[in-house]
Amino acid sequence: AQKITQTQPGMFVQEKEAVTLDCTYDTSDQSYGLFWYKQPSSGEMIFLIYQGSYDEQNATEGRYSLNFQKARKSANLVISASQLGDSAMYFCAMREPYNAGNNRKLIWGLGTSLAVNP
Amino acid sequence: SQTIHQWPATLVQPVGSPLSLECTVEGTSNPNLYWYRQAAGRGLQLLFYSVGIGQISSEVPQNLSASRPQDRQFILSSKKLLLSDSGFYLCAWSVGRSSYEQYFGPGTRLTVT
Repeated sequence: AQKITQTQPGMFVQEKEAVTLDCTYDTSDQSYGLFWYKQPSSGEMIFLIYQGSYDEQNATEGRYSLNFQKARKSANLVISASQLGDSAMYFCAMREPYNAGNNRKLIWGLGTSLAVNP
Repeated sequence: SQTIHQWPATLVQPVGSPLSLECTVEGTSNPNLYWYRQAAGRGLQLLFYSVGIGQISSEVPQNLSASRPQDRQFILSSKKLLLSDSGFYLCAWSVGRSSYEQYFGPGTRLTVT
């Protein structure tokens, strides 16, 4: 069964430094997608970045990049030049394989709490 | 551009009372719609999803139900709330692009007393 594991319940980083949030996944499918979301204290889930299993390049979106290591089944999020506003919960998720229902459900990790220190 | 609305933002209800949470999406057609619940300090639990009007799939057996009376409207209901129904309820939508990323509403914080 598909599974997402985030082993770091909490992380600290100094402002302006880079930080890596770990995510490993388990799937037997060849086609899948990996996502990272940010959840600030307000509660809203914000989509950050997506990596398809067939994408050869690591995904990047501004200060966010996804370190995709397919053989290791890891999809770590790298945040460069951390800002105070980056303090939030971060969730890794994986898209389930396509089925006849075309629902495209996501499988979620338990999240990592990131605190950026001034 | 697409937007998603949820209301109410917060709700305090006594045990045994009914519940109705509403979610509407603007700026897209025939979206997939999702209801999630998040307990304090926990991950997301998918409750229901819908691929079209009147089409509801339930992920977790419980005293909650969902309905989709219109293409861009998704409603979460209960006839009698339990204490365990407390949590943060998030509605989300996705469309049939290759990535199928989901976009979330602001959420409803429900406290059952």
